[in-house]
Amino acid sequence: AQSVTQLGSHVSVSEGALVLLRCNYSSSVPPYLFWYVQYPNQGLQLLLKYTTGATLVKGINGFEAEFKKSETSFHLTKPSAHMSDAAEYFCAVSEGSSYKLIFGSGTRLLVRP
Amino acid sequence: DTAVSQTPKYLVTQMGNDKSIKCEQNLGHDTMYWYKQDSKKFLKIMFSYNNKELIINETVPNRFSPKSPDKAHLNLHINSLELGDSAVYFCASSQQGSYNSPLHFGNGTRLTVT
Repeated sequence: AQSVTQLGSHVSVSEGALVLLRCNYSSSVPPYLFWYVQYPNQGLQLLLKYTTGATLVKGINGFEAEFKKSETSFHLTKPSAHMSDAAEYFCAVSEGSSYKLIFGSGTRLLVRP
Repeated sequence: DTAVSQTPKYLVTQMGNDKSIKCEQNLGHDTMYWYKQDSKKFLKIMFSYNNKELIINETVPNRFSPKSPDKAHLNLHINSLELGDSAVYFCASSQQGSYNSPLHFGNGTRLTVT
């Protein structure tokens, strides 16, 4: 069965600093991978997704993620953090044709002024 | 226009009561879901319907019963509410299943059982 591990329940960065949120997955088949963001009192919004093709995926708000099969990783990065990036971020893996999306436990990003 | 809308946004009720949460999507998607987010922000799928047919039914107590009158609506009815049911419940939808297209989430229903 697929699973997702997000290292670090909280990540704190200074405004303008690099953002790196870690995600590792386990899957017996080629995975579909997603990053979602959740702002307070809101639902989740898709940041980006990897299905097939280019391993470096660009998303909204300047975020990108790289699929590394050898490391079973899909880390999320942004070169320069903005105060508005403060939110909860979830990595997720799709369980193939079962219509099921498995979420990691989430990482709260704090941005210091 | 809200793509996935849930009502109510907040629901406070006592143990033992029965309550319903409604969800509607106007995206024309085939598949709808209910997810539960606990106090530690962990998200777990509960149910999924594809074209009104139940396709995922996780190990959820049978006090929880989803109903899909048409493919744009997926309601969640909960009988005999318990303290442990307190959580945020999210409705979501996708086209052709989540392995191929992303989920679109509603803003959640915060259920508090006292």
